[in-house]
Amino acid sequence: DTEVTQTPKHLVMGMTNKKSLKCEQHMGHRAMYWYKQKAKKPPELMFVYSYEKLSINESVPSRFSPECPNSSLLNLHLHALQPEDSALYLCASSQGQGLGSPLHFGNGTRLTVT
Amino acid sequence: DAKTTQPNSMESNEEEPVHLPCNHSTISGTDYIHWYRQLPSQGPEYVIHGLTSNVNNRMASLAIAEDRKSSTLILHRATLRDAAVYYCILRAYTGGFKTIFGAGTRLFVKA
Repeated sequence: DTEVTQTPKHLVMGMTNKKSLKCEQHMGHRAMYWYKQKAKKPPELMFVYSYEKLSINESVPSRFSPECPNSSLLNLHLHALQPEDSALYLCASSQGQGLGSPLHFGNGTRLTVT
Repeated sequence: DAKTTQPNSMESNEEEPVHLPCNHSTISGTDYIHWYRQLPSQGPEYVIHGLTSNVNNRMASLAIAEDRKSSTLILHRATLRDAAVYYCILRAYTGGFKTIFGAGTRLFVKA
């Protein structure tokens, strides 16, 4: 079990669908992250939120839209995805953005785009 | 972005120590060295981190070279449950506080 909860665990969506991935943590962490992981590859950073404000966008296509409604929740809204966007999407949180703050990861949402 | 270099894979016998190396020759003075591991079908799990001094915790030890250009994660007694991909990461400020994963080392543990 992890302290970062991601839902759903699995998601299949068509290229015209709109769906959302959700992430929740109750550790009082103020930084939250989205990563994308393809099979047998390391996680790739997508977005970083700090104190509910977007601080890093790693040139992610606009079909991925993050949202941080409050300090415990992080969403990733998906629209008009491509099959190559199929991957494991990981959420993480850390107490702050300080370089000595460890990241706590959820177990991810496995997304398949058909 | 600061990069790390790790062997693709390593093998260990159960109940023996394992030393996982990592090179980070471009490390800056404020970069922290973090290690995470990822078991199959799970998200990465934090193992240990350090800045300059060697560090110990209940999971592992981290030995950092004096010039900080390399580090070694030490698992004191490998178990079958330690079989995972181990990522050595530099947590750096490069236009933002980023945590960028390298390719990682896949550790195989033999019974």
